Amino acid sequence: AQKITQTQPGMFVQEKEAVTLDCTYDTSDQSYGLFWYKQPSSGEMIFLIYQGSYDEQNATEGRYSLNFQKARKSANLVISASQLGDSAMYFCAMREGLGGYSTLTFGKGTMLLVSP
Amino acid sequence: SQTIHQWPATLVQPVGSPLSLECTVEGTSNPNLYWYRQAAGRGLQLLFYSVGIGQISSEVPQNLSASRPQDRQFILSSKKLLLSDSGFYLCAWSWRRAYEQYFGPGTRLTVT
Repeated sequence: AQKITQTQPGMFVQEKEAVTLDCTYDTSDQSYGLFWYKQPSSGEMIFLIYQGSYDEQNATEGRYSLNFQKARKSANLVISASQLGDSAMYFCAMREGLGGYSTLTFGKGTMLLVSP
Repeated sequence: SQTIHQWPATLVQPVGSPLSLECTVEGTSNPNLYWYRQAAGRGLQLLFYSVGIGQISSEVPQNLSASRPQDRQFILSSKKLLLSDSGFYLCAWSWRRAYEQYFGPGTRLTVT
């Protein structure tokens, strides 16, 4: 089974509207974390937000929030008030276990297009 | 502040030729370092990671290798490139005992 599943290959949203990008995960670890990264056409991966499995509150970073539903194993990214510059690929990723380093498993991504 | 560099930015190489991609990090010490590959339209696949000089762990067996000759330098190499080695190669770093990884600008490799 895939560890990270992003079921939306592409999403369209109008400027200033909110959009939710879906991510479900599969792990048997008790300690894990979920990430969202943005990849614009330039290729660089930009860290957006992180949620640890023991964090009780949903993570927020400016216009980004992570809707973490542990029982459903979902970690959806919510972008409020979309901007044209939000058009990019978005990747959900997971780290598992504890230790002095983290290896990440990435989903296949969702392409978000924001229209004027 | 920390900065991560990769070069070259783009590379076109014939099948069977050698490869050397370089990644350097500035503004930090003892980082964890990572090499990822992204095939066209796909997610990232972890290739190698390193927690210290000379310490390399491989995630995927292939004709690529990695080395860390200095604390903030990570090199991805191949003796003979295959067509399937084409892709976008990203280097990343993280603090020790931290989870967020920060990525460099990437190298786009085309093997012809």
